[in-house]
Amino acid sequence: NAGVTQTPKFRILKIGQSMTLQCTQDMNHNYMYWYRQDPGMGLKLIYYSVGAGITDKGEVPNGYNVSRSTTEDFPLRLELAAPSQTSVYFCASSYTSGGYNEQFFGPGTRLTVL
Amino acid sequence: AQKITQTQPGMFVQEKEAVTLDCTYDTSDQSYGLFWYKQPSSGEMIFLIYQGSYDEQNATEGRYSLNFQKARKSANLVISASQLGDSAMYFCAMSAGANNLFFGTGTRLTVIP
Repeated sequence: NAGVTQTPKFRILKIGQSMTLQCTQDMNHNYMYWYRQDPGMGLKLIYYSVGAGITDKGEVPNGYNVSRSTTEDFPLRLELAAPSQTSVYFCASSYTSGGYNEQFFGPGTRLTVL
Repeated sequence: AQKITQTQPGMFVQEKEAVTLDCTYDTSDQSYGLFWYKQPSSGEMIFLIYQGSYDEQNATEGRYSLNFQKARKSANLVISASQLGDSAMYFCAMSAGANNLFFGTGTRLTVIP
C-alpha cells in the first residue's frame, strides 16, 4: 500500500493564481481531511469528508474548496491565492471517526504564495 | 470547544536518558482520544501512541508511554532511553466527537549525544 499520497511536493504561486492540491489514499478509508501547518504551529483543519459526495468545513475553510467524487481522492482547490495561504498542507485519512481516530498522513505539500 | 496545550516550545535531553513532554487538554466530551505524533525534519507526521478516555491503563508502545491523568486533564508523553533519531517536533492531539484531530503547537525535542 502506498498509503496517502500528495502532489505536488512543492509549489510557488503568484497572488491571484489558482491551483489544486491532489490527495489519494489506497486504504479504503471513508474519512479524509485537509490540514494546514503554519511555521512553528500545529495543524489546523481546513475541510474534511466522511465519504464520497460528503464534505464539511473545518476550522479554517476560507479561501479553499474541496470535492470528494470517489473514496480514494480528495483534492483541495485554492481559487485566488493569497500570501496568507503560504503554508504546508497535509492530507490525511482514517477508517473511523470520534474516539479512536488514528489518521494517516501524506507527506505534505509546501506552498509559497508570492 | 476542544483545546490542546503544549507549554514546552523546546526540550533537550541527553542520549539514553528519559524525557517527558507535557500535554494538557480541555474538552466537555466524555469520550475522546489522545494522540501523539512525531514530525522529523523531513516533515512527515508519524503516529506514535494513542490513549482512549476510558482506558484505565496508560498506553505503551515500545519506548513510548503515555502518562494519562484524567482528573488533571493531562496526557504527557514519556520517551525512555532517548536516541539521536528522536530529535523532532512532537505534537499532542485530541479527537473528541468531531471528525478531526485538534493539535497543540508542538514541542521541539533535541537529543544531545
